[in-house]
Amino acid sequence: EAQVTQNPRYLITVTGKKLTVTCSQNMNHEYMSWYRQDPGLGLRQIYYSMNVEVTDKGDVPEGYKVSRKEKRNFPLILESPSPNQTSLYFCASSLYGESGGYTFGSGTRLTVV
Amino acid sequence: DQQVKQNSPSLSVQEGRISILNCDYTNSMFDYFLWYKKYPAEGPTFLISISSIKDKNEDGRFTVFLNKSAKHLSLHIVPSQPGDSAVYFCAASGRSGAGSYQLTFGKGTKLSVIP
Repeated sequence: EAQVTQNPRYLITVTGKKLTVTCSQNMNHEYMSWYRQDPGLGLRQIYYSMNVEVTDKGDVPEGYKVSRKEKRNFPLILESPSPNQTSLYFCASSLYGESGGYTFGSGTRLTVV
Repeated sequence: DQQVKQNSPSLSVQEGRISILNCDYTNSMFDYFLWYKKYPAEGPTFLISISSIKDKNEDGRFTVFLNKSAKHLSLHIVPSQPGDSAVYFCAASGRSGAGSYQLTFGKGTKLSVIP
């Protein structure tokens, strides 16, 4: 089944403790992206990647890192999480970035206390 | 500076009637416009898209209209069904300064279809 898989689905952590949210897609898509969803703010892009070793900042990149060492994986790294990073995170992938038809994962609910 | 705007946070429609969801944008360089549908506890799912060179695209009960001069697009759902109750996100795709394509979302409109 063609899908984007995020792990974990739920995570509660403490301020300052480094964490990684994994994202993997099995569709051989070129484009991958991370979004966060917050009440009243919709979906805001954190980082995106158009191919292996090519990443770009989105609208809210502060406090996050990403890497794209393989086409299928695009992990999101929070080096020192803070409470304002408590959010619902979505990873997505697309074959053709320009047409915007992204497939989204099921989301990761992160709480930083 | 929000480039994609959905000014109605919510919309209620009677089952069987037409639902019209609206979206405005500011960047005239967007290449594609899309609508995504999102149920609680799930990721958004792609619904329908339209190229910036078209003014209408239809897929079953869903039609998207694009008015480039007004920088406005709308999604029409006819007839509306209770299963259409969800949050609908408008999105636009365009080249970033780095040359790759970036997808920008609006804040969403929650549609409630009343049986």
